Amino acid sequence: EDQVTQSPEALRLQEGESSSLNCSYTVSGLRGLFWYRQDPGKGPEFLFTLYSAGEEKEKERLKATLTKKESFLHITAPKPEDSATYLCALLNAGGTSYGKLTFGQGTILTVHP
Amino acid sequence: GAVVSQHPSWVICKSGTSVKIECRSLDFQATTMFWYRQFPKQSLMLMATSNEGSKATYEQGVEKDKFLINHASLTLSTLTVTSAHPEDSSFYICSTTRGSNQPQHFGDGTRLSIL
Repeated sequence: EDQVTQSPEALRLQEGESSSLNCSYTVSGLRGLFWYRQDPGKGPEFLFTLYSAGEEKEKERLKATLTKKESFLHITAPKPEDSATYLCALLNAGGTSYGKLTFGQGTILTVHP
Repeated sequence: GAVVSQHPSWVICKSGTSVKIECRSLDFQATTMFWYRQFPKQSLMLMATSNEGSKATYEQGVEKDKFLINHASLTLSTLTVTSAHPEDSSFYICSTTRGSNQPQHFGDGTRLSIL
């Protein structure tokens, strides 16, 4: 059974204090790994797609990396507006031709000024 | 800009009422759309895959007669929670994708509260 585990559950940082969020996974037939940001009362907002081990994507203060067992979301010099829940999701080969997206539990990030 | 529009944003209704939630793909024609449910402090759980012009595919444990899905056009899918009860109270979110292996883009969700 496909599994996605995110850690830590919650992370509190001071503004400017860099850190990383982890997404460990086991999947039969990975078609893609996605990172999303979710603000309270809103739907997830797409951040990155990673398809193969060794791939990296970067956007502003965020950088996502992928290995065969885990993905990291690195946050460099975070700002209070980066506070949100960050979700990792796996697209597997099962179900319909579009596959099935399995989400992790998320990491709640709080950045204090 | 937004790729997916979901309506309403929130709804409060009495037990036994049926509630319809709309999900519109704004930027492209979506043959497939997805419906998720999210309980407080939990992650998203896929309920069903909505297919334009055909029956929806439901995940194990999701009652087909309880959660009716209609995908009558390439830009609109609807989820109707029939005879809703307090245990159906949750955050319902829809999504679309441009194709297989592409990221899903989500609506802003519908907060459903059944009294």
